[in-house]
Amino acid sequence: KAGVTQTPRYLIKTRGQQVTLSCSPISGHRSVSWYQQTPGQGLQFLFEYFSETQRNKGNFPGRFSGRQFSNSRSEMNVSTLELGDSALYLCASSLKGQDDEQYFGPGTRLTVT
Amino acid sequence: LAKTTQPISMDSYEGQEVNITCSHNNIATNDYITWYQQFPSQGPRFIIQGYKTKVTNEVASLFIPADRKSSTLSLPRVSLSDTAVYYCLGGSSNTGKLIFGQGTTLQVKP
Repeated sequence: KAGVTQTPRYLIKTRGQQVTLSCSPISGHRSVSWYQQTPGQGLQFLFEYFSETQRNKGNFPGRFSGRQFSNSRSEMNVSTLELGDSALYLCASSLKGQDDEQYFGPGTRLTVT
Repeated sequence: LAKTTQPISMDSYEGQEVNITCSHNNIATNDYITWYQQFPSQGPRFIIQGYKTKVTNEVASLFIPADRKSSTLSLPRVSLSDTAVYYCLGGSSNTGKLIFGQGTTLQVKP
């Protein structure tokens, strides 16, 4: 079966702009989680969606938001980009949630200049 | 504040057994402990998950003591292809706190 896909794979934005990242989970998976990965902070949890509802949220400012559609595809939005938002953004899907086996996508590399 | 701590790096040689230990400060009663492997330019990949005692699958073993304040990932007879970053994860959606360790870079030498 097809794995988790993320688009785009690479993105360059300017400070102050906004960005939308997309994630298509494995077919049948209803949980999608988003993570930010940086060399300094490692893997940090952003939020989890399950059946179109945000079920958990990490400690990120309100500029970071997301949503999930009825087909379980998910989008993540970051508004008013800051230089510190440069990171690899990973999404992961699973059948039941974060404490289940998660399948990660390859990530979107965001660079903010 | 819950925290997950693991060594930054480890070196090993082909054919050796490697044990990576992670400490799980304030892990909640319902939390599972999970380990992931990550290669460069790829997302993490699930290795193994457990709640207590010992779990074994085809690639690794996971040891969790009774107090559950630590876990040890055991990789038997590593090869060069096991060179990667290994992350421990303590937390579950019940607590709403999913906490990854900082990752252990394992370098396997010939």
